[in-house]
Amino acid sequence: EAEVAQSPRYKITEKSQAVAFWCDPISGHATLYWYRQILGQGPELLVQFQDESVVDDSQLPKDRFSAERLKGVDSTLKIQPAELGDSAMYLCASSATGGGLEKLFFGSGTQLSVL
Amino acid sequence: AQSVTQPDIHITVSEGASLELRCNYSYGATPYLFWYVQSPGQGLQLLLKYFSGDTLVQGIKGFEAEFKRSQSSFNLRKPSVHWSDAAEYFCAARYFGNEKLTFGTGTRLTIIP
Repeated sequence: EAEVAQSPRYKITEKSQAVAFWCDPISGHATLYWYRQILGQGPELLVQFQDESVVDDSQLPKDRFSAERLKGVDSTLKIQPAELGDSAMYLCASSATGGGLEKLFFGSGTQLSVL
Repeated sequence: AQSVTQPDIHITVSEGASLELRCNYSYGATPYLFWYVQSPGQGLQLLLKYFSGDTLVQGIKGFEAEFKRSQSSFNLRKPSVHWSDAAEYFCAARYFGNEKLTFGTGTRLTIIP
């Protein structure tokens, strides 16, 4: 089965530094999601793309986080500057069209530690 | 506001025993309901999903879930657990007209010999 690719797998950074995460969804999937999962909690949606357009970024801390999906394929999530509270697992997911009973396919995530 | 509640943070069961993980959803209308499983350090995998029809749905790995409208519940069950079922289980809901998938806080399942 095709997979959602994410890199890096782990990232350690110091606070105030910039970090970036990359996601390559399953080929042909129009909808791409970035979730943040804090230890002991469920994933929380940060941003949702439909092709190259942002559908929902209501939970994205826009003063420090940015996300793009320029050609409607792969996507980058950036944090600048990183803060201690940003330590979490960042999960990327994709689905064919989004909504309804459609299944989300998740990548293995990027584990971020901010020191 | 849309919310999903998983009352049990951690459950321990013996291998071969039956399992039930609880999930309750809020809001008036019946949402699309899902159960996902997450192994340590991994992404989430869909176990099963429900919106309408037969209230007992079958999923992968021998799991099933029952929708009960009167209790706003969608509990996950397995008749006999295997050591490989040890993982974190998340209930999630998506409400009609809103594409956002809302997750519960998860239930960590430990299997003892």
